[in-house]
Amino acid sequence: DIQMTQSPSSLSASVGDRVTITCQASQDISNYLNWYQQKPGKAPKLLIYDASNLETGVPSRFSGSGSGTDFTFTISSLQPEDIATYYCQQYDNLPSYTFGQGTKLEIK
Amino acid sequence: EVQLVESGGGLVQPGGSLRLSCAASGFTFSSYWMHWVRQAPGKGLVWVSRINSDGSSTSYADSVKGRFTISRDNAKNTLYLQMNSLRAEDTAVYYCARDRGYYDSSGYYTSAFDIWGQGTMVTVSS
Repeated sequence: DIQMTQSPSSLSASVGDRVTITCQASQDISNYLNWYQQKPGKAPKLLIYDASNLETGVPSRFSGSGSGTDFTFTISSLQPEDIATYYCQQYDNLPSYTFGQGTKLEIK
Repeated sequence: EVQLVESGGGLVQPGGSLRLSCAASGFTFSSYWMHWVRQAPGKGLVWVSRINSDGSSTSYADSVKGRFTISRDNAKNTLYLQMNSLRAEDTAVYYCARDRGYYDSSGYYTSAFDIWGQGTMVTVSS
């Protein structure tokens, strides 16, 4: 099975900061990676698909990059409403869909 | 409005059974693969099961294989998860999710869970 390792597990940043989360796959998954945002008590929301494509309606301050085993998720200028937990998800090894363990983002 | 609404959660004793439902509206349900994803209290997301658009193909996480059964009724726009032999470790919020994936030019199925329900809580405890 493919393992997804996200880092950091938690992160504290100030409004306006650039925030970066990484996700590493245990083997090459090409660009078969998505990123989700989950706010407390809410369902997850798709932000980035196929590693770098912004989902319709998602603010452009969110972006994703990478391929193979190393991926990056970036918020260019942190806003208060971005407080959430972020998950990467691989779908290269179908029918297994593995999520990373999550990164909890807080405001400093 | 595109929407998924789960129901059927509750408290059940270890070894018991429960059937979850997920009612879809606002889109052509029969055109999409569907999934169940769960989240134990304070923990991360875990994929549970998937069914293709016509119900002819299913897959499961190893942790639920042989105990859970995913199915769908396209005439009723409803997805189901039959959960048997429940264990304490199955305690979680269960989400249904739509997969808007497609087969790309190389024949690979790309996947993205673009619509999620609000979740239904399943508690397994004596």
